[in-house]
Amino acid sequence: GQQLNQSPQSMFIQEGEDVSMNCTSSSIFNTWLWYKQDPGEGPVLLIALYKAGELTSNGRLTAQFGITRKDSFLNISASIPSDVGIYFCAGQLSAGNNRKLIWGLGTSLAVNP
Amino acid sequence: DSGVTQTPKHLITATGQRVTLRCSPRSGDLSVYWYQQSLDQGLQFLIQYYNGEERAKGNILERFSAQQFPDLHSELNLSSLELGDSALYFCASSAPSANTGELFFGEGSRLTVL
Repeated sequence: GQQLNQSPQSMFIQEGEDVSMNCTSSSIFNTWLWYKQDPGEGPVLLIALYKAGELTSNGRLTAQFGITRKDSFLNISASIPSDVGIYFCAGQLSAGNNRKLIWGLGTSLAVNP
Repeated sequence: DSGVTQTPKHLITATGQRVTLRCSPRSGDLSVYWYQQSLDQGLQFLIQYYNGEERAKGNILERFSAQQFPDLHSELNLSSLELGDSALYFCASSAPSANTGELFFGEGSRLTVL
């Protein structure tokens, strides 16, 4: 099935470092979402973006909806050990249509204390 | 705790067998989604139900089927199991008014086919 290009695939960083990951697509999305999956658990929504150019923060997390509507990035500032997990981006192709969520393959983040 | 309940958490079975995974959505949510997660494939959408009716189908094999019951819980049936069916199966639900892709996931059912 269709998937987003999410990069990097994995990251290994030192505690306190900033992290950046992004997703790109050839399709235009109306919504971008970022989820985090902790080991052994289901994904949890971190940030949802609804408008092109929108920049939204959730604590140390900041995400942006690209102007072209074909990309999004997620930044994590001052990483801590509990940031470890897999981060997924997801794009929604049309408003009001949950079934058209397209997912990235995830960015696996490891943080060295 | 997302409010979505999945059982069983772990399941080990043999090839050729059939299993049923169960999901209870968050209270008030009408939509249930099933996803398969394997190491090399990420999250693969299988199927969605809304208030008892099939709403969308993704990459669901013919050997797999699902239904949503009047009390809104859902079951995913996997039959003629193959080694490649070993994966994490997630259920998610969404609020009736949500048109934004905001899903609440359960903790998953880990299926191992030997």
